[in-house]
Amino acid sequence: ELKVEQNPLFLSMQEGKNYTIYCNYSTTSDRLYWYRQDPGKSLESLFVLLSNGAVKQEGRLMASLDTKARLSTLHITAAVHDLSATYFCAVVLTSGTYKYIFGTGTRLKVLA
Amino acid sequence: DSGVTQTPKHLITATGQRVTLRCSPRSGDLSVYWYQQSLDQGLQFLIQYYNGEERAKGNILERFSAQQFPDLHSELNLSSLELGDSALYFCASSGGRSYNEQFFGPGTRLTVL
Repeated sequence: ELKVEQNPLFLSMQEGKNYTIYCNYSTTSDRLYWYRQDPGKSLESLFVLLSNGAVKQEGRLMASLDTKARLSTLHITAAVHDLSATYFCAVVLTSGTYKYIFGTGTRLKVLA
Repeated sequence: DSGVTQTPKHLITATGQRVTLRCSPRSGDLSVYWYQQSLDQGLQFLIQYYNGEERAKGNILERFSAQQFPDLHSELNLSSLELGDSALYFCASSGGRSYNEQFFGPGTRLTVL
């Protein structure tokens, strides 16, 4: 069974600091998504990572994928208050059945 | 605005009842996905349709069913509702130019009393 673990679950950080959110998954997958969710809102797609070594950046967020280690990271550079949200990774299970498994989410709070 | 619409926004009903949630995908998107978000279970993938055909099935209960119509809109039917079915139900679509990226609708909040 595919398990997706995110850590940390909660993250409180000061503005201007850097931090990394980790997403580990337990079986083979060839696609990984990162999403952002603001309180009471829907999910917003941040990144789609399709291959080993893929790295994507948008503003202060950078995501990478290591399929051999079954690990993706979401790195936050010089955090600002507007980045406060919950971040989810999701992995696509493609062997046997085909479905999407979400991580537990990381609730990020950036303090001014 | 993702371009994905869902109706209704809120739904309050009683145990044992049946409800239908509706989703219209972004123009040009052939795939529709349904997800459930609750405090207990987190985000769960329910089912995916592609151009009218079921493509993938997740943790969808037998009491739930879905379909995608020729105009590509989709409906999720929930029957014999239980208290534990109270959740946010999201629809997402993909396929058009951004093939792998999913665009989420605003969600339907279902409350079962």
